[in-house]
Amino acid sequence: DTAVSQTPKYLVTQMGNDKSIKCEQNLGHDTMYWYKQDSKKFLKIMFSYNNKELIINETVPNRFSPKSPDKAHLNLHINSLELGDSAVYFCASSRGYEGYTFGSGTRLTVV
Amino acid sequence: QQQVKQSPQSLIVQKGGISIINCAYENTAFDYFPWYQQFPGKGPALLIAIRPDVSEKKEGRFTISFNKSAKQFSLHIMDSQPGDSATYFCAASQTGNQFYFGTGTSLTVIP
Repeated sequence: DTAVSQTPKYLVTQMGNDKSIKCEQNLGHDTMYWYKQDSKKFLKIMFSYNNKELIINETVPNRFSPKSPDKAHLNLHINSLELGDSAVYFCASSRGYEGYTFGSGTRLTVV
Repeated sequence: QQQVKQSPQSLIVQKGGISIINCAYENTAFDYFPWYQQFPGKGPALLIAIRPDVSEKKEGRFTISFNKSAKQFSLHIMDSQPGDSATYFCAASQTGNQFYFGTGTSLTVIP
């Protein structure tokens, strides 16, 4: 199936730990994103990569570091996790900036 | 600064009724206006989109109305069904640039 797939779907971890979320798309898109959705459902863009190049880097703590090994992958690494990092993280992709396709999300819970 | 303002935050409609969600924007350079539908535990999915060269676009029970002079657009769901219960996001972009999402509307359709 053509899709944006991200793993894991659920992630429960203790404060201070380091964790990664992986994202892969097989749609042939050239732009990939990470969004954070808080408890109020607000979608906040974190990062955008176009052809492996960082395009958008919103005001996000530098504990968050994206890595794009190739056009089809965009991973998110988070250091020193804090309670406030608990949220649902969505990966998305698009061709240029049209027709975003979202993954199914990773629910991160920091305890 | 919220580029796209969405209302209402939540909406309860009887089965068979019309659901109306409104969005407003300021940037007159925006030229693409999609709506996304998100079910619990899923990522947002593109529902319908419009460009400002038309005032209305209809796909099945879903219609976007667009008022360029007022810088407003709205989603109308005719004959609302319980299966339409979801969170709806409007968005706006200028071709070739990032999307700006509204804050979401939680729709509940009562049987």
